[in-house]
Amino acid sequence: DAGVTQSPTHLIKTRGQHVTLRCSPISGHKSVSWYQQVLGQGPQFIFQYYEKEERGRGNFPDRFSARQFPNYSSELNVNALLLGDSALYLCASSLARSSSYEQYFGPGTRLTVT
Amino acid sequence: QQQVKQSPQSLIVQKGGISIINCAYENTAFDYFPWYQQFPGKGPALLIAIRPDVSEKKEGRFTISFNKSAKQFSLHIMDSQPGDSATYFCAASIAGGTSYGKLTFGQGTILTVHP
Repeated sequence: DAGVTQSPTHLIKTRGQHVTLRCSPISGHKSVSWYQQVLGQGPQFIFQYYEKEERGRGNFPDRFSARQFPNYSSELNVNALLLGDSALYLCASSLARSSSYEQYFGPGTRLTVT
Repeated sequence: QQQVKQSPQSLIVQKGGISIINCAYENTAFDYFPWYQQFPGKGPALLIAIRPDVSEKKEGRFTISFNKSAKQFSLHIMDSQPGDSATYFCAASIAGGTSYGKLTFGQGTILTVHP
């Protein structure tokens, strides 16, 4: 089975622009979570989506938004990009929302804001 | 309340040695404790996980030890190999409330295994 896939792999944007990152979960997984990983740190939780609804949100500004589609794939949108948004954005999928289910991460999208 | 503190920041071990990474948490509501391995340019890969109802879990060369009263858990890598050189993250998640299923990560440990 294919793992979690993310696109694009790398992205370079300019301050003030917006960006859309995409994630396809493992087949059969209904929950998708987004994390931001700044170089040298552990991933930080941004959002969790389950059954197309936002179920959790981390301490990130409203410039960050996301959605989940009927096929359970997901998009993360970031508006008005800042230099500090440069990071590896990770998507994780799990069967369901509970902590009883393992979360599997994709390879990430490396975003560079200049 | 939500923090997970990980140590050491970096670790150098000789091939065949034992690597030990420690984590401590404050929130007693955490009920799931996974460890992830991350290679440069890759996403974290689930290595092994434990729940508070057991004190130890072993999978191959990897063992998690869990001390509920001390709110600490650790990863032991036996017979460490150069291919184990990577960054290791502990994490914890909480059942219920707005943090349902959210993983809280430690800061990471860079492991280097010398041949």
